[in-house]
Amino acid sequence: DAGVTQSPTHLIKTRGQQVTLRCSPISGHKSVSWYQQVLGQGPQFIFQYYEKEERGRGNFPDRFSARQFPNYSSELNVNALLLGDSALYLCASSLQGVEDTQYFGPGTRLTVL
Amino acid sequence: SQELEQSPQSLIVQEGKNLTINCTSSKTLYGLYWYKQKYGEGLIFLMMLQKGGEEKSHEKITAKLDEKKQQSSLHITASQPSHAGIYLCGADYSGGSNYKLTFGKGTLLTVNP
Repeated sequence: DAGVTQSPTHLIKTRGQQVTLRCSPISGHKSVSWYQQVLGQGPQFIFQYYEKEERGRGNFPDRFSARQFPNYSSELNVNALLLGDSALYLCASSLQGVEDTQYFGPGTRLTVL
Repeated sequence: SQELEQSPQSLIVQEGKNLTINCTSSKTLYGLYWYKQKYGEGLIFLMMLQKGGEEKSHEKITAKLDEKKQQSSLHITASQPSHAGIYLCGADYSGGSNYKLTFGKGTLLTVNP
């Protein structure tokens, strides 16, 4: 079975630009979470979506937004990029989110110049 | 201060040696997850612990959650080069709703052949 997939793998943007990252969950999983991992740190929670509804949001500015589609795939959007947004963006899926293990994708490496 | 502290930050062992990684929480855990990450890649799920005193094993890796549910240890027996990577513990503080995980900074394990 296919695991969590993310696209693109790598992305280079300049300050002020906007970026969209995509995630497809494991088949049958209805919950998608997004994490940001800066070099040398553990992943930090950004959003969780379940059944197209936002269920949780981490301590990130409004420049970060996300949505989930009817097929449970998800997009993370970041506007007005800053140098500090350079990171590995990880997507995780779980069956429902309640006491369910989160399985992570390979990540999208975003570099902001 | 960090809610979840991992120790040591890095570890170098000779192939065949045993090792232990610790994860200490500043508050009670509802669940504790262990993941492994190759540099710059996604997280691979290892084990999940929920009950105080719980212990789980998979191949040569054993994880325990102490009775007070504030500390976990990950023990690798007879380490192999394939065990090398970054080990991350992730805490569920959300009362079982598991809409987000809070991660430690990780422990970098190097296994020398």
